[in-house]
Amino acid sequence: QVQVVQSGAEVKKPGASVKVSCKASGNTFNNRYMHWVRQAPGQGLEWMGIINPSGAVTAYAQKFQGRVTMTRDTSTSTLYMELSSLRSEDTAVYYCARGETSDHPLGAFDIWGHGTMVTVSS
Amino acid sequence: IVLTQSPGTLSLSPGERATLSCRASQSVSGTYFAWYQQKPGQAPRLLIYGASSRATGIPDRFSGSGSGTDFTLTISRLEPEDFAVYYCQQYGSSYTFGQGTKLEIK
Repeated sequence: QVQVVQSGAEVKKPGASVKVSCKASGNTFNNRYMHWVRQAPGQGLEWMGIINPSGAVTAYAQKFQGRVTMTRDTSTSTLYMELSSLRSEDTAVYYCARGETSDHPLGAFDIWGHGTMVTVSS
Repeated sequence: IVLTQSPGTLSLSPGERATLSCRASQSVSGTYFAWYQQKPGQAPRLLIYGASSRATGIPDRFSGSGSGTDFTLTISRLEPEDFAVYYCQQYGSSYTFGQGTKLEIK
């Protein structure tokens, strides 16, 4: 049984940064492209970006360019997503998700974390 | 690529057949298309990938079809646990999701 554990809920003030982590049991994430997806309250799913298996290459949705940084520690199978210059519209649940393929980034998202609620409020 | 799902809400009874649609603003590359199910308070779950392949553990009452710009998710006989929100996704040109279809009990 794959276990994916994300960090706990966060409350941040506008202008601050947040860093969310995502850790999987065993080698679940190794050699896979990984994604971050967010969901504002009552809204749909929004793709934020992707990181390759080694962590050397990232690609971000244009909306988040310059504000988001995705990293991974392959030695601990842990992913990180940092979002800066937070505003109220960033209030959402943030999910990590595993791409189904290992040799290219064109894959559906077959395993999801449970999500991390980030609330941005003054 | 913008994905538009219809209907926004679908009201059906257990045992009935459900047909959910997703239309893309331009042709989806290859068969890089997926469907997800999301229940309240839970993460999405992959149902269909490659437009028509069922993910591991997904019952055969779920089926996907389509290509190009028009895709369909069909649930042959609704079970009580199937009432949820369904999202389509294309992953051939970056990654985008539809706005969702809520499947509710009639």
